[in-house]
Amino acid sequence: DTAVSQTPKYLVTQMGNDKSIKCEQNLGHDTMYWYKQDSKKFLKIMFSYNNKELIINETVPNRFSPKSPDKAHLNLHINSLELGDSAVYFCASSQAGSENYGYTFGSGTRLTVV
Amino acid sequence: AQSVTQPDIHITVSEGASLELRCNYSYGATPYLFWYVQSPGQGLQLLLKYFSGDTLVQGIKGFEAEFKRSQSSFNLRKPSVHWSDAAEYFCAVVNTGFQKLVFGTGTRLLVSP
Repeated sequence: DTAVSQTPKYLVTQMGNDKSIKCEQNLGHDTMYWYKQDSKKFLKIMFSYNNKELIINETVPNRFSPKSPDKAHLNLHINSLELGDSAVYFCASSQAGSENYGYTFGSGTRLTVV
Repeated sequence: AQSVTQPDIHITVSEGASLELRCNYSYGATPYLFWYVQSPGQGLQLLLKYFSGDTLVQGIKGFEAEFKRSQSSFNLRKPSVHWSDAAEYFCAVVNTGFQKLVFGTGTRLLVSP
């Protein structure tokens, strides 16, 4: 049973296209995140949702639109893809206030824009 | 704002030798600190975490880390490195309000035969 699962694992697309990445967690966590890992391996938060409400938007271009239909799902839609969007995108979840507080990450989606 | 510094971009260690990866944090209160490992092409796996209590914490795969408030450090150690430990290691701190995890820039560990 995968705790945080994201699909697809790989995504190759042309500039200008629109694509979506899906994420689901079965841990019962209240908060979900999207992180971007660039070519230098630097991990930076993009968005955070708590119980379907947006709580963090780290100056991400508005071509990126997250959607959380329920607290177990957080999807990322990207419009008009650019070369610079090529990266690995990680979904994560957490539950503050629990004894096992921590962040669980998905296996990542490698997006390549050509 | 909270931040994490990993001063070593690359470290090469011989198999069987000991390892220490450095991490320094910037945080006003007691930090919540984590170490994650990322093997090539893989996701992030939690090695260990520190919230409070005993400053020496044990993790998976034989790793441990020591929290030193006086030095604002949370260094990761392993007494004997295996070839399979070759990976990218990330130190991270939770920000005030527990809204996000802030990562260091990572240290790439290379293991030589």
